[in-house]
Amino acid sequence: QSGLTQPPSASGTPGQRVTISCSGSRSNIGSNFVYWYQQLPGTAPNLLIYRNDQRPSGVPDRFSGSWSGTSASLAISGLRSEDEADYYCGAWDDSLSGWVFGGGTKMTVL
Amino acid sequence: QVQLQESGPGLVKPSQTLSLTCTVSGASFNSGSYYWSWIRQPAGKGLEWIGRIYPSGGTNYNPSLKSRVSVSVDTSKNHFSLKLSSVTAADTAVYYCASEPVLTGHQTDGFHIWGQGTMVTVSS
Repeated sequence: QSGLTQPPSASGTPGQRVTISCSGSRSNIGSNFVYWYQQLPGTAPNLLIYRNDQRPSGVPDRFSGSWSGTSASLAISGLRSEDEADYYCGAWDDSLSGWVFGGGTKMTVL
Repeated sequence: QVQLQESGPGLVKPSQTLSLTCTVSGASFNSGSYYWSWIRQPAGKGLEWIGRIYPSGGTNYNPSLKSRVSVSVDTSKNHFSLKLSSVTAADTAVYYCASEPVLTGHQTDGFHIWGQGTMVTVSS
């Protein structure tokens, strides 16, 4: 089951700024931090954004996260071909006492 | 740097129990600094959190899998394990283990480190 809602696909041309939305509820995004993961083809997911808007070391500042109420967004500026990947949002859900993920968004660079 | 490596059978028969192990290097279970999770991903689909174990030995499980799941830790071998009983074809997936740094109290900071994943197929 996917507790969070993401668009299944997104696309943009090189250099463009694109955003991916993640919608939840009071028990998850409304109460806890949002995390974003990037999954390149054939590899394990990798942490991209933590605590709503923080970047781990090594993640380019082209990637940014934001949060408001029960929704969050991931923005990629200066889109590059290597950004073609699946992107997942995740948050702890207090009602379920467990982690929930979005269904994933496939990013295509045109 | 924490590193994780999954291992276990790649093929399990329907109705049997799936058993996987995640070997941890670069961190000690006794440090209390991490929670340890299992996550799976069917081919072409999204991520599903299965469950986790934390330093005191307590566990949390996905409610949809709770009746069939068990996560345990063996500190002497520095690994933690997943058991999923009564498997069906719907349990066919890539299974990942992941570490969650403790932020404060029972709050953790997402999945910072992932194993490479191991494919498990349920078939007779």
